[in-house]
This record gives sequence, C-alpha cells and structure tokens, in this order.
Amino acid sequence: GAGVSQSPRYKVTKRGQDVALRCDPISGHVSLYWYRQALGQGPEFLTYFNYEAQQDKSGLPNDRFSAERPEGSISTLTIQRTEQRDSAMYRCASSLGPPYSNQPQHFGDGTRLSIL
Amino acid sequence: GQNIDQPTEMTATEGAIVQINCTYQTSGFNGLFWYQQHAGEAPTFLSYNVLDGLEEKGRFSSFLSRSKGYSYLLLKELQMKDSASYLCAVRDIIADRGSTLGRLYFGRGTQLTVWP
Repeated sequence: GAGVSQSPRYKVTKRGQDVALRCDPISGHVSLYWYRQALGQGPEFLTYFNYEAQQDKSGLPNDRFSAERPEGSISTLTIQRTEQRDSAMYRCASSLGPPYSNQPQHFGDGTRLSIL
Repeated sequence: GQNIDQPTEMTATEGAIVQINCTYQTSGFNGLFWYQQHAGEAPTFLSYNVLDGLEEKGRFSSFLSRSKGYSYLLLKELQMKDSASYLCAVRDIIADRGSTLGRLYFGRGTQLTVWP
C-alpha cells in the first residue's frame, strides 16, 4: 500500500505475556519512528531508526521495550512481560529523509494494545 | 526539557475563521509541525515552519515566531469535516556521538468542534 502499515490493529493479551508489534513503512522511507499515544494526548516518542540503525532509543520507558529494523525496512516493537500500564495506542511513522530535514513524518493507523 | 502548550478545546461555526495557538519552550529548535487527527485515525501532516513568518496552504495557514516561541494555525472557511484534534509538534536537534538526532515533541492537541 501507499501508507504506513501496522499490524495487528488490535491486540489484547494477558499481563506477563510478550507482544510484538509490526510496522511496514512507506517504500523508500529512510527513517522510522515509534510513538505511544494515550487518549487525549499527542504522540510520545519512543525510538527512531535511520535505515537499520537505531539512532535514538531514549524514549523507551524501560528495558522491557525493544525495537529492531534489521533490513532497514519493516520494524518490530517488542514488549516483554507486559503490564497493564503498557496499554495504549502504539503508532509508527516514517519519513523520506532524516529527522532534521524538512520531510514530514507520516503516521500509520496504529496498534491498540490492551493488557488484561 | 520540552514544554509545548496549546488550548485543549475550541469551537467555531461553519464558514468562520479560527486560530489555534501553540507556545513552546524547547532546546535546539529545528522546526514546528502541525498535524490534524480525526477521532480514531492517524495524525496527518498539515504544515511545517522553520523560519519566521506565514506559510499558506489553501484554507490553512501557519505562522511562526521563533523569538517568541509561538506559532498559530489559521483555518479559514471552516467546514464540518475540519472537526478534529490539531497537534502542534516541535522538533529539536542535538548532536549525539557523531550523529545528528531530531525528535518531535507533540503538544496535547486542540480539539476543534465545528458547528453548523
């Protein structure tokens, strides 16, 4: 497709389980970003990739969160030993150029994660 | 730290003009973005300002004053479909171990309701 694609759209799991969220960026986009968005709030930065290199992971809340983009295209955000406070909308975005360029970030529809 | 402030809610009538303000305090400013987000959907890019002044794009215009840490989004000839949340996002830019990083910091969003 033409836009950023995320899967699954919805994920419900029990506390303590691991989850993997997938992002397929717009073809040719160099940079990929992960955000978390709570209801009524703006997206909150988690991590950023330039091609396959994770350039900034300072927004990841703790070491249960990790992300990879091994071939510089599709990315996976993994949350281990999920907790109820991890429940949120997780959004991926991609941009044609690096984050300091004038290229905007294009967002996917997100994965709504619910931890029971 | 980063501090981005915008009104929580605004209302207006169809055909009117509305101005949504955003004030910010950030380090290493490198551009300000406005995004539109309809309920349950992904944020979509509206405008980008990096220099002082007004950028016009059809019914939407965005203004930036870097010295005042201030931006506004102006929406003209309002339509019902303009009812949405409008997110102000500021990008900083930092050098980190030989790499140039830029991170977007989002405000909480301004929920605009357009009445007939």
